[in-house]
Amino acid sequence: AQSVTQLDSHVSVSEGTPVLLRCNYSSSYSPSLFWYVQHPNKGLQLLLKYTSAATLVKGINGFEAEFKKSETSFHLTKPSAHMSDAAEYFCVVSFNFGNEKLTFGTGTRLTIIP
Amino acid sequence: GAVVSQHPSWVICKSGTSVKIECRSLDFQATTMFWYRQFPKQSLMLMATSNEGSKATYEQGVEKDKFLINHASLTLSTLTVTSAHPEDSSFYICSARDAGTSGGASTGELFFGEGSRLTVL
Repeated sequence: AQSVTQLDSHVSVSEGTPVLLRCNYSSSYSPSLFWYVQHPNKGLQLLLKYTSAATLVKGINGFEAEFKKSETSFHLTKPSAHMSDAAEYFCVVSFNFGNEKLTFGTGTRLTIIP
Repeated sequence: GAVVSQHPSWVICKSGTSVKIECRSLDFQATTMFWYRQFPKQSLMLMATSNEGSKATYEQGVEKDKFLINHASLTLSTLTVTSAHPEDSSFYICSARDAGTSGGASTGELFFGEGSRLTVL
């Protein structure tokens, strides 16, 4: 079975400081991993995805994530937080081999302190 | 990029009535669409997988007679909440997998709609 754990339900950082949102996964097969962002009352926007290519994945808005198989982690980082980054972030796992079902983490709410 | 449109974005209805939510892929064909439910401050839970021209596949615990899904065309899937009750109040989100445009290649990417908030009084 596949699962994903977001270790922090809420993260607060000051504007201009680094962001780290943690995610660990469990998958019996080679996983595809995604980070999505959701702004209030909005749908989800894909930030980045890992699909067995480069382990360091660069996404939109300056975000990146590193796939570490030994640690079963896929943490999301950004060097410098911006006020517009305040949102809910979901780490998502999917099997490869055509399994289209996504399993969502419980989300991390990112608050940016001015 | 590709756009998935949901309508309505907000709906309030009386208990016992039925509500239909539409999910459209605006510039690509989607043979597969997914319906999710999101409770306040919680994650998304997959309700069902909708396949064009065939019956939807429901996740365990989701009542298929309560949540009717129709995927009659390559660009439209609908979710009907029948005989809605206050406990059905939720944020419903659809996603669609890009199967390509007519004569074009498929990217296989998954795109999400902006969600539909249902409030049942």
